[in-house]
Amino acid sequence: DAGVTQSPTHLIKTRGQQVTLRCSPKSGHDTVSWYQQALGQGPQFIFQYYEEEERQRGNFPDRFSGHQFPNYSSELNVNALLLGDSALYLCASTPSPSTDTQYFGPGTRLTVL
Amino acid sequence: GENVEQHPSTLSVQEGDSAVIKCTYSDSASNYFPWYKQELGKGPQLIIDIRSNVGEKKDQRIAVTLNKTAKHFSLHITETQPEDSAVYFCAASINTNAGKSTFGDGTTLTVKP
Repeated sequence: DAGVTQSPTHLIKTRGQQVTLRCSPKSGHDTVSWYQQALGQGPQFIFQYYEEEERQRGNFPDRFSGHQFPNYSSELNVNALLLGDSALYLCASTPSPSTDTQYFGPGTRLTVL
Repeated sequence: GENVEQHPSTLSVQEGDSAVIKCTYSDSASNYFPWYKQELGKGPQLIIDIRSNVGEKKDQRIAVTLNKTAKHFSLHITETQPEDSAVYFCAASINTNAGKSTFGDGTTLTVKP
Protein backbone atom coordinates (compact mmCIF):
# COMPACT_ATOMS: atom_id res chain seq x y z
CA ASP A 1 0.00 0.00 0.00
CA ALA A 2 1.74 3.15 -1.23
CA GLY A 3 1.80 6.09 1.11
CA VAL A 4 1.68 9.72 0.10
CA THR A 5 4.14 10.47 -2.69
CA GLN A 6 5.46 13.83 -3.84
CA SER A 7 7.52 15.02 -6.78
CA PRO A 8 10.03 16.34 -7.38
CA THR A 9 12.19 15.74 -4.31
CA HIS A 10 14.21 18.91 -4.77
CA LEU A 11 13.77 21.97 -6.94
CA ILE A 12 15.81 25.12 -7.51
CA LYS A 13 14.19 28.20 -9.03
CA THR A 14 15.01 31.88 -9.36
CA ARG A 15 12.99 34.83 -8.13
CA GLY A 16 9.97 35.64 -10.29
CA GLN A 17 9.66 32.16 -11.73
CA GLN A 18 6.71 29.84 -11.32
CA VAL A 19 6.76 26.32 -9.88
CA THR A 20 4.42 23.32 -9.80
CA LEU A 21 4.66 20.62 -7.15
CA ARG A 22 2.80 17.33 -7.31
CA CYS A 23 1.24 14.97 -4.77
CA SER A 24 -0.42 11.58 -4.93
CA PRO A 25 -2.47 10.75 -1.83
CA LYS A 26 -2.39 7.50 0.07
CA SER A 27 -4.52 4.78 -1.49
CA GLY A 28 -8.16 5.22 -0.48
CA HIS A 29 -7.73 8.89 0.44
CA ASP A 30 -9.64 11.62 -1.38
CA THR A 31 -8.65 14.76 0.53
CA VAL A 32 -5.32 16.53 0.17
CA SER A 33 -3.83 19.34 2.25
CA TRP A 34 -0.68 21.32 1.50
CA TYR A 35 1.69 22.77 4.07
CA GLN A 36 4.77 24.99 3.91
CA GLN A 37 7.57 24.23 6.37
CA ALA A 38 10.28 26.87 6.65
CA LEU A 39 13.61 25.81 8.12
CA GLY A 40 13.40 25.35 11.88
CA GLN A 41 9.64 25.87 12.01
CA GLY A 42 6.51 23.78 12.09
CA PRO A 43 4.41 23.23 8.97
CA GLN A 44 1.94 25.99 8.06
CA PHE A 45 -1.37 25.12 6.40
CA ILE A 46 -1.74 26.47 2.85
CA PHE A 47 -5.00 24.91 1.62
CA GLN A 48 -7.03 21.73 1.34
CA TYR A 49 -8.64 20.12 -1.69
CA TYR A 50 -11.63 17.80 -1.85
CA GLU A 51 -13.81 16.91 -4.83
CA GLU A 52 -11.50 18.98 -7.02
CA GLU A 53 -12.29 22.16 -5.11
CA GLU A 54 -10.41 24.25 -2.56
CA ARG A 55 -12.22 23.57 0.69
CA GLN A 56 -10.15 25.52 3.23
CA ARG A 57 -7.34 28.03 2.95
CA GLY A 58 -4.69 29.32 5.32
CA ASN A 59 -3.10 32.74 5.41
CA PHE A 60 -1.24 32.57 2.10
CA PRO A 61 -1.40 35.03 -0.83
CA ASP A 62 -3.10 34.31 -4.14
CA ARG A 63 0.30 33.51 -5.64
CA PHE A 64 -0.29 30.09 -4.10
CA SER A 65 -2.89 28.11 -5.99
CA GLY A 66 -3.76 24.49 -6.38
CA HIS A 67 -5.64 21.89 -8.26
CA GLN A 68 -7.03 18.44 -7.60
CA PHE A 69 -7.58 15.89 -10.34
CA PRO A 70 -10.34 13.24 -10.63
CA ASN A 71 -7.86 10.59 -9.39
CA TYR A 72 -7.45 12.70 -6.18
CA SER A 73 -3.86 13.69 -6.96
CA SER A 74 -3.06 17.35 -6.47
CA GLU A 75 -0.77 20.14 -7.61
CA LEU A 76 0.51 23.19 -5.79
CA ASN A 77 1.43 26.15 -7.97
CA VAL A 78 3.40 29.16 -6.79
CA ASN A 79 3.75 32.19 -9.06
CA ALA A 80 6.21 35.08 -8.90
CA LEU A 81 8.53 33.24 -6.54
CA LEU A 82 10.15 35.17 -3.70
CA LEU A 83 13.25 34.24 -1.73
CA GLY A 84 10.97 33.70 1.27
CA ASP A 85 9.14 30.91 -0.57
CA SER A 86 12.17 28.67 -0.02
CA ALA A 87 10.88 25.86 2.18
CA LEU A 88 9.87 22.22 2.39
CA TYR A 89 6.41 21.80 0.89
CA LEU A 90 4.46 18.95 2.42
CA CYS A 91 1.38 17.20 1.17
CA ALA A 92 -0.92 15.34 3.55
CA SER A 93 -3.91 13.16 2.76
CA THR A 94 -6.94 11.87 4.67
CA PRO A 95 -9.66 9.39 3.71
CA SER A 96 -12.31 12.12 3.89
CA PRO A 97 -12.57 15.85 4.61
CA SER A 98 -14.05 15.10 8.03
CA THR A 99 -11.16 12.88 9.12
CA ASP A 100 -8.58 14.38 11.45
CA THR A 101 -5.75 11.90 11.04
CA GLN A 102 -3.38 13.05 8.31
CA TYR A 103 -0.63 11.14 6.54
CA PHE A 104 2.25 13.21 5.24
CA GLY A 105 4.46 12.73 2.22
CA PRO A 106 8.24 13.24 2.28
CA GLY A 107 7.96 16.77 0.92
CA THR A 108 9.50 18.78 -1.90
CA ARG A 109 12.45 21.00 -0.97
CA LEU A 110 12.12 24.27 -2.93
CA THR A 111 15.07 26.65 -3.05
CA VAL A 112 14.54 30.11 -4.57
CA LEU A 113 17.73 31.95 -5.56
CA GLY B 1 -6.92 31.92 14.72
CA GLU B 2 -5.30 29.10 16.65
CA ASN B 3 -1.82 29.56 18.11
CA VAL B 4 0.26 26.65 19.38
CA GLU B 5 3.38 27.13 21.49
CA GLN B 6 5.81 24.28 22.09
CA HIS B 7 8.56 23.90 24.70
CA PRO B 8 11.41 23.22 24.95
CA SER B 9 12.89 23.88 21.50
CA THR B 10 15.74 21.46 22.21
CA LEU B 11 15.95 18.56 24.65
CA SER B 12 18.89 16.27 25.34
CA VAL B 13 18.49 13.15 27.49
CA GLN B 14 20.51 10.08 28.33
CA GLU B 15 19.39 6.78 26.87
CA GLY B 16 16.86 5.17 29.18
CA ASP B 17 15.68 8.46 30.67
CA SER B 18 12.26 10.00 30.07
CA ALA B 19 11.54 12.99 27.85
CA VAL B 20 8.62 15.40 28.18
CA ILE B 21 7.52 17.97 25.59
CA LYS B 22 4.78 20.49 26.35
CA CYS B 23 2.41 22.47 24.16
CA THR B 24 -0.22 25.10 24.81
CA TYR B 25 -3.01 26.16 22.49
CA SER B 26 -5.19 29.24 22.36
CA ASP B 27 -8.49 28.21 20.72
CA SER B 28 -10.79 26.44 23.17
CA ALA B 29 -12.69 25.00 20.18
CA SER B 30 -9.70 22.82 19.22
CA ASN B 31 -10.48 19.19 19.91
CA TYR B 32 -7.86 17.10 18.11
CA PHE B 33 -4.20 17.05 19.18
CA PRO B 34 -1.72 14.93 17.21
CA TRP B 35 2.01 14.53 17.78
CA TYR B 36 4.40 13.98 14.90
CA LYS B 37 7.99 12.77 14.64
CA GLN B 38 10.05 14.15 11.79
CA GLU B 39 13.38 12.64 10.87
CA LEU B 40 15.90 14.35 8.64
CA GLY B 41 14.76 14.44 5.02
CA LYS B 42 11.35 12.97 5.78
CA GLY B 43 7.83 14.23 6.28
CA PRO B 44 6.15 14.27 9.71
CA GLN B 45 4.97 10.86 10.90
CA LEU B 46 2.01 10.62 13.28
CA ILE B 47 3.09 8.87 16.49
CA ILE B 48 0.11 9.42 18.77
CA ASP B 49 -2.97 11.62 18.98
CA ILE B 50 -5.62 12.53 21.53
CA ARG B 51 -9.10 13.98 21.32
CA SER B 52 -10.68 16.41 23.74
CA ASN B 53 -12.98 13.81 25.28
CA VAL B 54 -9.96 11.91 26.64
CA GLY B 55 -7.47 13.03 29.28
CA GLU B 56 -4.68 10.58 28.60
CA LYS B 57 -3.63 8.05 25.98
CA LYS B 58 -0.75 5.61 25.98
CA ASP B 59 0.94 3.52 23.30
CA GLN B 60 3.86 1.45 24.58
CA ARG B 61 6.64 3.94 25.54
CA ILE B 62 4.69 6.98 24.38
CA ALA B 63 1.89 8.77 26.23
CA VAL B 64 0.02 12.01 25.77
CA THR B 65 -1.92 13.97 28.37
CA LEU B 66 -4.45 16.74 27.78
CA ASN B 67 -5.66 19.45 30.15
CA LYS B 68 -8.56 21.21 28.43
CA THR B 69 -9.05 23.72 31.23
CA ALA B 70 -5.46 24.92 31.05
CA LYS B 71 -5.34 24.37 27.28
CA HIS B 72 -2.14 22.40 27.31
CA PHE B 73 -1.06 18.92 26.29
CA SER B 74 2.16 17.00 26.73
CA LEU B 75 4.09 14.16 25.11
CA HIS B 76 5.88 11.71 27.38
CA ILE B 77 8.47 9.26 26.07
CA THR B 78 9.80 6.71 28.55
CA GLU B 79 12.91 4.52 28.29
CA THR B 80 14.27 6.66 25.48
CA GLN B 81 16.43 5.07 22.81
CA PRO B 82 18.89 6.67 20.32
CA GLU B 83 16.39 6.03 17.52
CA ASP B 84 13.95 8.37 19.29
CA SER B 85 16.25 11.24 18.29
CA ALA B 86 14.28 13.46 15.88
CA VAL B 87 12.21 16.66 15.76
CA TYR B 88 8.81 16.33 17.43
CA PHE B 89 5.85 18.55 16.58
CA CYS B 90 2.57 19.04 18.37
CA ALA B 91 -0.49 20.29 16.52
CA ALA B 92 -4.09 21.29 17.17
CA SER B 93 -7.18 21.35 15.00
CA ILE B 94 -10.97 21.51 15.13
CA ASN B 95 -12.82 18.51 13.73
CA THR B 96 -15.14 20.77 11.75
CA ASN B 97 -11.99 21.97 9.96
CA ALA B 98 -10.36 18.59 9.78
CA GLY B 99 -7.05 18.62 7.92
CA LYS B 100 -6.29 22.24 8.84
CA SER B 101 -3.80 21.79 11.65
CA THR B 102 -1.82 24.45 13.48
CA PHE B 103 1.64 23.22 14.44
CA GLY B 104 4.10 24.16 17.15
CA ASP B 105 7.64 25.05 16.13
CA GLY B 106 9.08 21.70 17.10
CA THR B 107 11.38 20.17 19.70
CA THR B 108 14.69 18.65 18.68
CA LEU B 109 15.18 15.60 20.88
CA THR B 110 18.64 14.09 21.18
CA VAL B 111 19.05 10.79 23.02
CA LYS B 112 22.67 10.16 23.98
CA PRO B 113 23.79 6.51 24.10
